[in-house]
This record gives sequence, structure tokens and C-alpha cells, in this order.
Amino acid sequence: AQKITQTQPGMFVQEKEAVTLDCTYDTSDQSYGLFWYKQPSSGEMIFLIYQGSYDEQNATEGRYSLNFQKARKSANLVISASQLGDSAMYFCAMREGGRGSTLGRLYFGRGTQLTVWP
Amino acid sequence: SQTIHQWPATLVQPVGSPLSLECTVEGTSNPNLYWYRQAAGRGLQLLFYSVGIGQISSEVPQNLSASRPQDRQFILSSKKLLLSDSGFYLCAWRRRGDTEAFFGQGTRLTVV
Repeated sequence: AQKITQTQPGMFVQEKEAVTLDCTYDTSDQSYGLFWYKQPSSGEMIFLIYQGSYDEQNATEGRYSLNFQKARKSANLVISASQLGDSAMYFCAMREGGRGSTLGRLYFGRGTQLTVWP
Repeated sequence: SQTIHQWPATLVQPVGSPLSLECTVEGTSNPNLYWYRQAAGRGLQLLFYSVGIGQISSEVPQNLSASRPQDRQFILSSKKLLLSDSGFYLCAWRRRGDTEAFFGQGTRLTVV
């Protein structure tokens, strides 16, 4: 069974608008971490934001925020005030085990291609 | 500061030829190391991970192997490449106790 599901293959948003990228996950662990990465056309993977399963508040990093709904097992990424440079592939990922997890395998979704238009 | 180097950036290899991709990490010790593959239009698939020198675990059976001859060196290999081995290969590292993993620039492999 797929551990990370991103149902939106592509999303379009106008510059300066907000956009939400969906992510749902599947795990039986009580302790886990959720991540979002950005992959521009160059291919590099850029870490954006992290949410721990025990974190009570939604994570925020600048224009990025993670809408964490534990009961629904969803971890949507919200990008506020979109910029042209935000156009990229966005991946949701999950690490089973807590922050101190020795192994820390990351499982990735298939990604959402975000296009920001002027 | 920590950096990760991965090379080559692009590679075109004929079917049946060997493969060696190298990844090195600087500025940290005893990192967890990972090899991922990204097929066209797909997410990242974890291939191998290592928690120490000589310790390699495979996530999926395949035509590839990995080795960790030194603490900060991770090598992805194949004796005979298949067409299906084409893809974008990413090396990543993570410091234990930290949250995020950091990725190299990736190697785009095309098997012809």
C-alpha cells in the first residue's frame, strides 16, 4: 500500500495568490515526521518544511505552512503569495519513527507539478 | 557546514555496461546515507540505505547494489545495466536525531 498519496498531478495558481497542495499518508506508527520538498527543473531536492506527529501547532516557514490534520492523516502544504519562482514539482514525504529515529527512511509521494502564472 | 557531492551529473550508458555512481558527504560524521531513484513522472523510490560503514540495506530487489567503503562515501553500482535502470538518481544524507534529509544534485542516467 502506498504510504504517501498526492492526488494532484498538476496545479495552477496565479502569482500572489495562495495555493494548497494535498497530501495524505498511511502509517500505524505513533511517532513519525512529515516533510515537503521542492524540486525545480534542475532536479535538486530542496527541503521546505517539517511537521512532527506530536507537534501541536502547524509548522510554518516563511510563505510555507503545513496544514496538519492528524485524525484525517493529511499534511497539506499551503504556499501563500505565490511567486513565479515557486513553479516546480513538490513532494510530500514521511519518515516513520520519531525525530531520533536511527534509520529515518523517507517515503515520497508522486509529486504535484505547480505552475505559477503571471 | 555540511555539503553533499554527487557525480557525474549526467551519464549515458549502453545496455549491459557497468555502472558506478559516487556520493560523498563533507562536514559531518557517521551520517545515514540513502540512494533514491526517480523515474520520469514518478516520485522518489528508496533503493538503499546505510547506517554505517559496510552496512547496506536494500529496499527493493533490483539490478543494482550499493557499498559504503568509508564513513562519508556511498557508491551505487551495477554489473550490467538494463534499459529499466534509466532514471534520476539522488543521494541523500541525514544526521541522526535531525529531521530532514539533504540531497545531492542528482545523476541523470540514460541507458541506451
